[in-house]
Amino acid sequence: GENVEQHPSTLSVQEGDSAVIKCTYSDSASNYFPWYKQELGKRPQLIIDIRSNVGEKKDQRIAVTLNKTAKHFSLHITETQPEDSAVYFCAAGDSSYKLIFGSGTRLLVRP
Amino acid sequence: DAMVIQNPRYQVTQFGKPVTLSCSQTLNHNVMYWYQQKSSQAPKLLFHYYDKDFNNEADTPDNFQSRRPNTSFCFLDIRSPGLGDAAMYLCATSRRQGNTEAFFGQGTRLTVV
Repeated sequence: GENVEQHPSTLSVQEGDSAVIKCTYSDSASNYFPWYKQELGKRPQLIIDIRSNVGEKKDQRIAVTLNKTAKHFSLHITETQPEDSAVYFCAAGDSSYKLIFGSGTRLLVRP
Repeated sequence: DAMVIQNPRYQVTQFGKPVTLSCSQTLNHNVMYWYQQKSSQAPKLLFHYYDKDFNNEADTPDNFQSRRPNTSFCFLDIRSPGLGDAAMYLCATSRRQGNTEAFFGQGTRLTVV
């Protein structure tokens, strides 16, 4: 079955710097790659997603890249702000129901 | 304006005492999921409903059951909770199966004493 690995498990950056979180997946049938942000005590919320027919997607300070050949995808946050501090989960899914999640990255943005 | 609502937020139950967690949605989504999330781990899918069709993950223990009496509600029943079942339980919905955003509830944190 699908396996998603996420690195790093914790990431600390200075406010204004960039943050990059990387995920790899094992199932070549996966074609949907969402990223969720979970703030302390709150629900996971989708921040950006990418499908396998594109290599990159941007939304303001957030971007995601996908390398299908290497089976990895990354989340890039530029100009980080303290409110970006949270746990970020990547996931991989296909046309079936199942989303397999990575183990999460705890991002701390230091003011 | 919460769209996926889980009750209660915190649940303490005794070892072996049946417990039910509930989830409701206002999105009219076809698919509802239950995930188990232990500390510092990824959410793990227990089962999901596509409309009334129940789909159990192969490695979900028999101790866990689910009911979906209508589109809006879904319940997670733990028949005999053990200490290892202490976790955050997340309910999620999506409009269709696969390739689409899942909307999560805030979760129920279950403690087993």
